[in-house]
Amino acid sequence: AQKITQTQPGMFVQEKEAVTLDCTYDTSDPSYGLFWYKQPSSGEMIFLIYQGSYDQQNATEGRYSLNFQKARKSANLVISASQLGDSAMYFCAIRSNYKLTFGKGTLLTVNP
Amino acid sequence: DVKVTQSSRYLVKRTGEKVFLECVQDMDHENMFWYRQDPGLGLRLIYFSYDVKMKEKGDIPEGYSVSREKKERFSLILESASTNQTSMYLCASSLIADNQPQHFGDGTRLSIL
Repeated sequence: AQKITQTQPGMFVQEKEAVTLDCTYDTSDPSYGLFWYKQPSSGEMIFLIYQGSYDQQNATEGRYSLNFQKARKSANLVISASQLGDSAMYFCAIRSNYKLTFGKGTLLTVNP
Repeated sequence: DVKVTQSSRYLVKRTGEKVFLECVQDMDHENMFWYRQDPGLGLRLIYFSYDVKMKEKGDIPEGYSVSREKKERFSLILESASTNQTSMYLCASSLIADNQPQHFGDGTRLSIL
């Protein structure tokens, strides 16, 4: 069974600063994928970034980057130059076979 | 862009009713999923389907069934709705490859009275 742990229920960041959202995972599968999603207050789940377990380099997607440390089983999301529109719930998820297992999320608030 | 459409944004039903939640995707995705989301519990997988007429139970299938008669449509059925099934329901679809993300609909907020 897969498990995702997000230890930060809530985080605050000043606009234009960087923020790191933590994610640790547990799996016995040798091949897996890690995903981050954003959920604004309007409710839709928006895909942000993906990291494969065999990828040698950390994934980046615009202002989002993933700090992947395989030995530590961590996949932290880094958001650079935070914007007010980044305020949302952020979910880390692990995929094995067809299924995604989600963490409980971190609520990020960006202050002006 | 991938479009996943859920039939209702808000729905109110009564205890004991049979409830259908519909989901349609327009990108020819093989996989489709139903989740429920509750405060403090995150998203939990109810059922998923990797092909027409194929289905597999997720983590919390009790009280639910699904139907996938066509590739683009995946229905969630509450056979006899109960108040503990009041929740946000999210449908998703994806391509079969492991590195492909799931794309979500806007969700249906279901209240069972």
